[in-house]
Amino acid sequence: DGGITQSPKYLFRKEGQNVTLSCEQNLNHDAMYWYRQDPGQGLRLIYYSQIVNDFQKGDIAEGYSVSREKKESFPLTVTSAQKNPTAFYLCASSTPGRGTSDTQYFGPGTRLTVL
Amino acid sequence: AQKITQTQPGMFVQEKEAVTLDCTYDTSDPSYGLFWYKQPSSGEMIFLIYQGSYDQQNATEGRYSLNFQKARKSANLVISASQLGDSAMYFCAMREGQGNFNKFYFGSGTKLNVKP
Repeated sequence: DGGITQSPKYLFRKEGQNVTLSCEQNLNHDAMYWYRQDPGQGLRLIYYSQIVNDFQKGDIAEGYSVSREKKESFPLTVTSAQKNPTAFYLCASSTPGRGTSDTQYFGPGTRLTVL
Repeated sequence: AQKITQTQPGMFVQEKEAVTLDCTYDTSDPSYGLFWYKQPSSGEMIFLIYQGSYDQQNATEGRYSLNFQKARKSANLVISASQLGDSAMYFCAMREGQGNFNKFYFGSGTKLNVKP
C-alpha cells in the first residue's frame, strides 16, 4: 500500500538530548514537509524539501534540522536547542502542481514528550 | 493578516443532520487551492476535499461538499447526514505558490461533536 510512515509513534526525550523522527513515503512524491502541532492549535511548518539534497526553513525552524538524502525519506532531528519540543509532529508529502496533484498527504504523526 | 480563518472553535450537531464549518481565506495569488482535512483523536490528518480557484462548480466528495464563494473568499465545508464518526477536528487549508513550491497555510481548526 502507498502511504507515509512515521516512527516512532511516541517518543520521550530527556533534557539536552537530540532525537530523530523518521518519515518515509512510497508515493513517489517530490516534496516533503514537517509540521508541528501544539494542543488545540493548527499546523506550523518547520522544514520542507522540494527535491533530494535540498531543503528550506519553514516558519519555526529554530532548534530543528533535517536531511533529504533519498526521495523517500525526510528525517527530522529535534536538537537540544529547541527549548519547548513537546508537541505532535506530522510529516507530509505532495507533488507540487496547480491541481489536485499537490494535495498534501500526511503520516500518522509522532508525539514527542520532554521528560 | 491571517491567511486562513476558522471562526468556530467548536460545533455541535445532531446525528443525521447537516452541518457547515466556516472558512475564510486571504490571498492575492490568482491560482490557489483550498483543502479540508479531518483530524480524529488519533492525530492523523485525513484529506477530505479539494477546490481549485478556477473550478466553476463546488467540489463534492460523498457526504462532503465545499461551498466555494470566491468573491467572499470563503470555502465552507458542508457535511450532510452527520455520523458519530464525524466527531473530530477539521482544518481548512490553502495552497498558494509561485514556481515549483506550493506553501500550505492551515487554519486553527474547528472541533465538531456529533450528538446521538
